[in-house]
Amino acid sequence: DAGVIQSPRHEVTEMGQEVTLRCKPISGHDYLFWYRQTMMRGLELLIYFNNNVPIDDSGMPEDRFSAKMPNASFSTLKIQPSEPRDSAVYFCASRGLVNTEAFFGQGTRLTVV
Amino acid sequence: AQSVTQPDIHITVSEGASLELRCNYSYGATPYLFWYVQSPGQGLQLLLKYFSGDTLVQGIKGFEAEFKRSQSSFNLRKPSVHWSDAAEYFCAVGNEGNTPLVFGKGTRLSVIA
Repeated sequence: DAGVIQSPRHEVTEMGQEVTLRCKPISGHDYLFWYRQTMMRGLELLIYFNNNVPIDDSGMPEDRFSAKMPNASFSTLKIQPSEPRDSAVYFCASRGLVNTEAFFGQGTRLTVV
Repeated sequence: AQSVTQPDIHITVSEGASLELRCNYSYGATPYLFWYVQSPGQGLQLLLKYFSGDTLVQGIKGFEAEFKRSQSSFNLRKPSVHWSDAAEYFCAVGNEGNTPLVFGKGTRLSVIA
């Protein structure tokens, strides 16, 4: 397996634009997590899914953020409209049903100017 | 609620010297504990994990960690550090309920000649 795949690796956008981050989890994994990493706050959980169903989105900072998982092999995190304070590295991770570690993607570095 | 404290933000060690990174957790039941490493521009890679059994666990790259319930600690150790070990290290706690991992703020390791 190629691991968790995220795209794009880097995104630079202007304030007010819509941004869509993409994630392909490891095949067979039942859980998918979106994290945001910043210097100030470290790794924050934004939302997670179990079998494509959102379980906890309490970490999503504002209504400008939304996430979907239309099928077991794909998830998106959308920010609309984007703001400079959204600049961060966004990680997607997946995990199997049996208690195991989470496997992380390479992350998307988002810069909003 | 679960929480993880990594008291050292930044540590500098000489190549060949021993290393210990501290991690303290807060959790009511038996925790599942993890150490991840993040190289610049990369995602998080699992170094080792503890679920149960022997409290001294061995990981990749020559790392080990010891679970001490009485101290609520899971410190990471390496007897001889290599320059390639320079990275950010994250301790994380989870549980058997498959809830998302909670991460510490990380410890940045610098290695000098």
